[in-house]
Amino acid sequence: DAGITQSPRHKVTETGTPVTLRCHQTENHRYMYWYRQDPGHGLRLIHYSYGVKDTDKGEVSDGYSVSRSKTEDFLLTLESATSSQTSVYFCAIRGLDGETQYFGPGTRLLVL
Amino acid sequence: RKEVEQDPGPFNVPEGATVAFNCTYSNSASQSFFWYRQDCRKEPKLLMSVYSSGNEDGRFTAQLNRASQYISLLIRDSKLSDSATYLCVASTSGTYKYIFGTGTRLKVLA
Repeated sequence: DAGITQSPRHKVTETGTPVTLRCHQTENHRYMYWYRQDPGHGLRLIHYSYGVKDTDKGEVSDGYSVSRSKTEDFLLTLESATSSQTSVYFCAIRGLDGETQYFGPGTRLLVL
Repeated sequence: RKEVEQDPGPFNVPEGATVAFNCTYSNSASQSFFWYRQDCRKEPKLLMSVYSSGNEDGRFTAQLNRASQYISLLIRDSKLSDSATYLCVASTSGTYKYIFGTGTRLKVLA
């Protein structure tokens, strides 16, 4: 258990509304990641962070923004949710070995 | 072509059977490899890292073949509790990014 929590765990929202998902970790890990998981695509990287205020885009970053104002929190924002953003979102940290990732429990988002 | 490819399965095997999964990767610069297990509606959990010399953890054995660019996972004496989706992951040194396969589904039957 890498001490990762995600909130909310489930959310239903309407197209066009903003949505923010939170990832919280308690072990001071430097690297944090946001993925989405969809059938047939596996896990795809949205954004990642390599420190406070240091973030970079992943392969599916369009329509998403992130912020990391403190080490323990990494926020993912959908500025204007679309039905194509219905997915399961996982947060991850990179462990102390510098290689292994550990995942949070996930957030199931449904955009109607 | 996907950077990491896996046979989606499902692999249906009886209890006690030995089953093997392969995963191919296309980026020759990939340095680190992992197998994760994911249960239905749960997060991926690390099963094992894959080392160049191969490694074993109980009933699980992982192998890396750099020349042919694939990794494998062997499960011996399958248990009902091994039923899950197994994800192959490759990472390239210096990029801090991980590429996931879409997973191979295993069903162990009583």
